[in-house]
Amino acid sequence: SQQGEEDPQALSIQEGENATMNCSYKTSINNLQWYRQNSGRGLVHLILIRSNEREKHSGRLRVTLDTSKKSSSLLITASRAADTASYFCAFFSNTDKLIFGTGTRLQVFP
Amino acid sequence: EAQVTQNPRYLITVTGKKLTVTCSQNMNHEYMSWYRQDPGLGLRQIYYSMNVEVTDKGDVPEGYKVSRKEKRNFPLILESPSPNQTSLYFCASSLIGRTEAFFGQGTRLTVV
Repeated sequence: SQQGEEDPQALSIQEGENATMNCSYKTSINNLQWYRQNSGRGLVHLILIRSNEREKHSGRLRVTLDTSKKSSSLLITASRAADTASYFCAFFSNTDKLIFGTGTRLQVFP
Repeated sequence: EAQVTQNPRYLITVTGKKLTVTCSQNMNHEYMSWYRQDPGLGLRQIYYSMNVEVTDKGDVPEGYKVSRKEKRNFPLILESPSPNQTSLYFCASSLIGRTEAFFGQGTRLTVV
C-alpha cells in the first residue's frame, strides 16, 4: 500500500505541553502536507512543506521533512484543549493520487 | 465563500438501492476526488479527476462510479450499495499542481 503511516496512533497530553507526530511514506514526493480533522468533520489544511525544504513554521506549528528517511514530523507547541483533533499527513503519488496517512488522534487535557 | 459542498450529510439506505452523493466546488479547481474514511483505516481514495471528462481510479474504486461533466461537480454514484460501503465519505478539490486540498463536510452513509 502507498498509504503513509503515522505514529503515534494516539497521543494524550496536558495543555501547555508540546505534541509531536511523525509520518513515514514510501514514494518520492514533491511536497508533503498536514491536515487536521475535528471529530467526524472535513479535513482542514494546516501546512505544506516542499521537498527542497527541511523545516517550516506556521504559528505554533513546526514541520520538518527528511526526504532521505522519507519521514516528516509535526510539532504543536504550547498545546491547547482546542488542538484536540486527528492529524493526518498527505502527499501526492507519482500518479497524482493524494494519499493520506493513518492519522494521529491528539487529546489535550485542560 | 470558497467551499466544497456535499449532499446529503447523512443517508440511510437499503442494500441495492442506487444512490448519488453530490459534490460541488466554487473555486474553479481542476482536481477533485472522493475518499472514504473507516476506523483504523484512515482516508482511502476512491476516485479522482484531473479535469472535465478525466477520471481515474483511486485505491478502493470497486462498487463506485463517478462522472465529471462540469468542472464544479463531481458526483459519487453507488449503483448497488452494500453494507460494506457503510462509511464516512469526503469530497475534496484542489488546483492542479499538487497543492492544498479543500474538503467538504462529509456524508455519513449507512447501508442496511
